[in-house]
Amino acid sequence: DIQLTQSPSFLSASVGDRVTITCRASQGISSYLAWYQQKPGKAPKLLIYAASTLQSGVPSRFSGSGSGTEFTLTISSLQPEDFATYYCQQLNSYPPTFGQGTKVEIK
Amino acid sequence: EVQLVESGGGLVQPGGSLRLSCAASGFTFSSYSMNWVRQAPGKGLEWVSYISSSSSTIYYADSVKGRFTISRDNAKNSLYLQMNSLRAEDTAVYYCARETLYFDWLIDYWGQGTLVTVSS
Repeated sequence: DIQLTQSPSFLSASVGDRVTITCRASQGISSYLAWYQQKPGKAPKLLIYAASTLQSGVPSRFSGSGSGTEFTLTISSLQPEDFATYYCQQLNSYPPTFGQGTKVEIK
Repeated sequence: EVQLVESGGGLVQPGGSLRLSCAASGFTFSSYSMNWVRQAPGKGLEWVSYISSSSSTIYYADSVKGRFTISRDNAKNSLYLQMNSLRAEDTAVYYCARETLYFDWLIDYWGQGTLVTVSS
């Protein structure tokens, strides 16, 4: 199975900050990576797929980059509604796997 | 509007069984592959099972293989997960999840989840 490791696991930031989350794959997955946002008690929400394609309706302050084994999710200016946990998911092969999550909290 | 509504969760003893259901609406259910994804309390996401639109292809995570069975009824716009021989480690919120038409394993809609608690 492909392992995904996110860093950091926890991030404390202020409104307006630029935030970057990294996801590393245990083997190359080309651009077959997605990012989800999950708020407490809610289902995950798709943000980005194919490493850098923004899902319809997602604010442009979210962006993704990377290929192969290293990927990043960037929030250009953190907003109050962005405080949540973020997960990466590899779409390259069975079984689909998720990173362990990065919790973004208010500083 | 796409809606996925899970039901059937609850408290069950170790070794017991439970059947989860997911009622789909707002889209052509028979055209989409579907998945179950779970999340243990305070933990991350774990993919559980996949079924293609026609039920011709089915996959399971190793952790549930031989104990869980996924199925669907396209006439009823419904997805199911039969869970047998339940263990404490199966305790989780179970999400019904729609896979996109354009990208394998990519989930664009999730249900609200149903909690399964395995405990004596």
